[in-house]
Amino acid sequence: GNSVTQMEGPVTLSEEAFLTINCTYTATGYPSLFWYVQYPGEGLQLLLKATKADDKGSNKGFEATYRKETTSFHLEKGSVQVSDSAVYFCALSDRAGGTSYGKLTFGQGTILTVHP
Amino acid sequence: DAGVTQSPTHLIKTRGQHVTLRCSPISGHKSVSWYQQVLGQGPQFIFQYYEKEERGRGNFPDRFSARQFPNYSSELNVNALLLGDSALYLCASSSLSGNTEAFFGQGTRLTVV
Repeated sequence: GNSVTQMEGPVTLSEEAFLTINCTYTATGYPSLFWYVQYPGEGLQLLLKATKADDKGSNKGFEATYRKETTSFHLEKGSVQVSDSAVYFCALSDRAGGTSYGKLTFGQGTILTVHP
Repeated sequence: DAGVTQSPTHLIKTRGQHVTLRCSPISGHKSVSWYQQVLGQGPQFIFQYYEKEERGRGNFPDRFSARQFPNYSSELNVNALLLGDSALYLCASSSLSGNTEAFFGQGTRLTVV
């Protein structure tokens, strides 16, 4: 079945540091890939997405490139801010017949804490 | 436009009781999915409904059931609650067109005591 693996353990950075959160996946077919962010006490917000190989998703300074050859979708940001502190989830959506029924498979999440 | 709305936001139940959680999708979205997020983990897929029909079911016991109404809102029911059912229950809606993406509500925090 489908699965998503994110880097282990929380990430703690100083403001303006470079961020990478690793994500690899296992899937049949050609999944769409997503990064969601969850702020304390809230639901999930879509951060960015990519729907085919070599696509780059970007939003709010965050980027991730769909790498089919390495089955990866690593999240990066050049300069993090305190307000980026949250939990980040990598996810994939399986596709059947060219459409997706919206079922998402999530990684375990990565806690990001940014200090001033 | 209103996003995905869920009710209630919090509730506390006793073991063995039954609970009903409600979700209203974004206007125009016909697909609703339910996820369970246990503290410290990623969300796990429970159900997906489209046009009032179940289109997918995750690895959850039969104590979990759901339905979708003609206005596309949805209910998730859990019978015979266990302590392990304590979690954040998330509802997501999508338009089911091409490269669909899911929009999540704020969730219902269920605590079973």
